[in-house]
Amino acid sequence: AQSVAQPEDQVNVAEGNPLTVKCTYSVSGNPYLFWYVQYPNRGLQFLLKYITGDNLVKGSYGFEAEFNKSQTSFHLKKPSALVSDSALYFCAVRPMDTGRRALTFGSGTRLQVQP
Amino acid sequence: GAVVSQHPSRVICKSGTSVKIECRSLDFQATTMFWYRQFPKQSLMLMATSNEGSKATYEQGVEKDKFLINHASLTLSTLTVTSAHPEDSSFYICSASGTGRRADTQYFGPGTRLTVL
Repeated sequence: AQSVAQPEDQVNVAEGNPLTVKCTYSVSGNPYLFWYVQYPNRGLQFLLKYITGDNLVKGSYGFEAEFNKSQTSFHLKKPSALVSDSALYFCAVRPMDTGRRALTFGSGTRLQVQP
Repeated sequence: GAVVSQHPSRVICKSGTSVKIECRSLDFQATTMFWYRQFPKQSLMLMATSNEGSKATYEQGVEKDKFLINHASLTLSTLTVTSAHPEDSSFYICSASGTGRRADTQYFGPGTRLTVL
């Protein structure tokens, strides 16, 4: 079975500073990895995904994530945080090599960007 | 592209009644749809996976007779909460994936908040 760990319940960062939201995963075989963002009382918005290829993936709103196979990590990053980035962020994984397409989500990390 | 809608966005019902939630893919054909449940300040828990024209596959612990899922077309899936009780109150979110470049990614609806009195 697959699992996702987001070790930080909350990350606080000042506007303009770089941000990192951590994610590690466990899956049999190769992973598909995803980051989603959720604003209050809303569904999830897709940010980016890693399927194969370049380990550094660029996504929406200036976010990027780096796939590190040896550390089984997929940390989300942004060079300069905005107050509007404040939201709940979810990392998700599913195995590449099986027919199961459902995602397993981490517990979420709340990002708070202070002006 | 890849827009998914849900209706209603919010519903309040009395205990014992049934509630139907619709999930639609607006600009692509959703061969697979997923239904999740999210409790306050918690992550999403997968309830079931449905493929168009097939019976849904429910996750362990999810009552299939209570949460009826229908995926009759490539753009519509419905979740019916039958004989709802207060413990069914939750935020229900659907997602959809399609074919080709939309096969690997799930696109989420805005969610439906169900409150059972």
